Amino acid sequence: TQLLEQSPQFLSIQEGENLTVYCNSSSVFSSLQWYRQEPGEGPVLLVTVVTGGEVKKLKRLTFQFGDARKDSSLHITAAQPGDTGLYLCAGLTGANNLFFGTGTRLTVIP
Amino acid sequence: DSGVTQTPKHLITATGQRVTLRCSPRSGDLSVYWYQQSLDQGLQFLIQYYNGEERAKGNILERFSAQQFPDLHSELNLSSLELGDSALYFCASSAYRTYTDTQYFGPGTRLTVL
Repeated sequence: TQLLEQSPQFLSIQEGENLTVYCNSSSVFSSLQWYRQEPGEGPVLLVTVVTGGEVKKLKRLTFQFGDARKDSSLHITAAQPGDTGLYLCAGLTGANNLFFGTGTRLTVIP
Repeated sequence: DSGVTQTPKHLITATGQRVTLRCSPRSGDLSVYWYQQSLDQGLQFLIQYYNGEERAKGNILERFSAQQFPDLHSELNLSSLELGDSALYFCASSAYRTYTDTQYFGPGTRLTVL
């Protein structure tokens, strides 16, 4: 079973602060995705990283895929209350099946 | 709105009962996935169907089964329900023409087993 551990599990910060969420696994994935899930809704894809060492930026969000394709990080600059939610990393297998991480629940306080 | 619909939104039932959850994928998507999200296990992949055929199985219990119909909608059947089956059940769909096709998640069905 592929296991993806995320840290921290919970994060509460003030608006304007920076934060980093980590996703680690002992397994190698063909690609890795990050999702955000809000209460009462399904996860929404933020980004897919495919190449080891790849860095992708989405406005204030920066995603990095580890060189060995076993880990990833999500960095948010100048967090805003709208960033509040559950962040999930997910490793993608060749059959397009997702193995989700344990999740990081982020709260940004105005 | 992802374009994936799930019914019902909420379901409350008793232990030992059987329920059916329904999912309609986005228009044109051939692949349907089912996931279970619980507080202790997180979000787990259950099963995938592609164009009516089972494609992959994850952590799906023998008491659970699914199928995808010719019109591509899918149903997840849960039987002999136990308290531990209480969870959010999500359906996702993708075109599945390449392995990096985006999966679009529905709003989920919240199942409560009393």
